Amino acid sequence: GEDVEQSLFLSVREGDSSVINCTYTDSSSTYLYWYKQEPGAGLQLLTYIFSNMDMKQDQRLTVLLNKKDKHLSLRIADTQTGDSAIYFCAESIRGYSTLTFGKGTMLLVSP
Amino acid sequence: DTGVSQNPRHKITKRGQNVTFRCDPISEHNRLYWYRQTLGQGPEFLTYFQNEAQLEKSRLLSDRFSAERPKGSFSTLEIQRTEQGDSAMYLCASSGTEKLFFGSGTQLSVL
Repeated sequence: GEDVEQSLFLSVREGDSSVINCTYTDSSSTYLYWYKQEPGAGLQLLTYIFSNMDMKQDQRLTVLLNKKDKHLSLRIADTQTGDSAIYFCAESIRGYSTLTFGKGTMLLVSP
Repeated sequence: DTGVSQNPRHKITKRGQNVTFRCDPISEHNRLYWYRQTLGQGPEFLTYFQNEAQLEKSRLLSDRFSAERPKGSFSTLEIQRTEQGDSAMYLCASSGTEKLFFGSGTQLSVL
């Protein structure tokens, strides 16, 4: 079945690294995504990774994928107060026609 | 690229009324998606179009919900005889590849 789980809350200090974790259950996932949502706004695509990769880096963002454990993580280097938001992990199974989202991790960055 | 546009941003209606939302996707994108998000949850898939064809519908999409994309460009989502449980953020997304881009959503409140 399709199920994506994330921890609900993470608090870090400005300048530290943040690591947000996600687990998924369907081994046939093709793409895995990270989205950011600020209050009252839609979802902003941050990055995504194809299932045959194990790492992707994009500026301050690093995505790690462990297919054996069905574990995905998002590392944000040098976290800023503007990074405070809810971060959603999502998987696509049937190509990329539909995404299954986790409940989101609220990241709070304090000065 | 003006992004995915959704109207209205907010809609307040009385129980039993019909409502219609509009989504204008990114112009060259042939795929269009509707998702629903309730407070504290991740977005849940409702339905998906490729061009004007509605290819997939979630079981969440009851008979009171109908979506159209008549010319393969903009889409409308109509909810008939609204219920309080329909209160949610309705998100539209579009894609031409594996990257889905979301609009800012329409927040529906049913009183």
